[in-house]
Amino acid sequence: SQQGEEDPQALSIQEGENATMNCSYKTSINNLQWYRQNSGRGLVHLILIRSNEREKHSGRLRVTLDTSKKSSSLLITASRAADTASYFCASGNRDDKIIFGKGTRLHILP
Amino acid sequence: EPEVTQTPSHQVTQMGQEVILRCVPISNHLYFYWYRQILGQKVEFLVSFYNNEISEKSEIFDDQFSVERPDGSNFTLKIRSTKLEDSAMYFCASSQSGVANYGYTFGSGTRLTVV
Repeated sequence: SQQGEEDPQALSIQEGENATMNCSYKTSINNLQWYRQNSGRGLVHLILIRSNEREKHSGRLRVTLDTSKKSSSLLITASRAADTASYFCASGNRDDKIIFGKGTRLHILP
Repeated sequence: EPEVTQTPSHQVTQMGQEVILRCVPISNHLYFYWYRQILGQKVEFLVSFYNNEISEKSEIFDDQFSVERPDGSNFTLKIRSTKLEDSAMYFCASSQSGVANYGYTFGSGTRLTVV
């Protein structure tokens, strides 16, 4: 089954606004992770939230997890041009791997 | 900050040829992974490796693929006979403790082009 389906697929916002991306998954998880990928580059780990956590913050990032709805959201506050990238959620369960979603392409407009 | 290093950054190969993609994981990490990303598509899991053996592999990771940790620092992915559809970005990753508590550290990738 597919894990980690993000929406929207693409998002354009003005610099300074908040960006919210959502992720849904299908099976039980141990944790949910978010990664950023700049065009043509590698994936950078942003934040990990465990299945027994509901919310986590890291700088301008806020992640929520609702295991009853099998969904997570990533909020980037006060967006900057440098936040332009693709954002992926990835689900980790008891297997030794994480499974990525298709990603949200975020574009910050000046 | 420690990095995962991948070489080469770009490789072009003829269909049917063997390629070896190389990775140097972070030195105190114990879990190693290969993922691939076909242009514009999602990042797909290929294989995980722990304690000198494969711990998980996907349907993509068929008999044409193999992994090795030959010398305690390098971690390689070999594709024995490349196909056009193997063209993709290949990412190596490592982790301290597997999936449970830590995120993965990814390398910058090797862009493989099969012609």
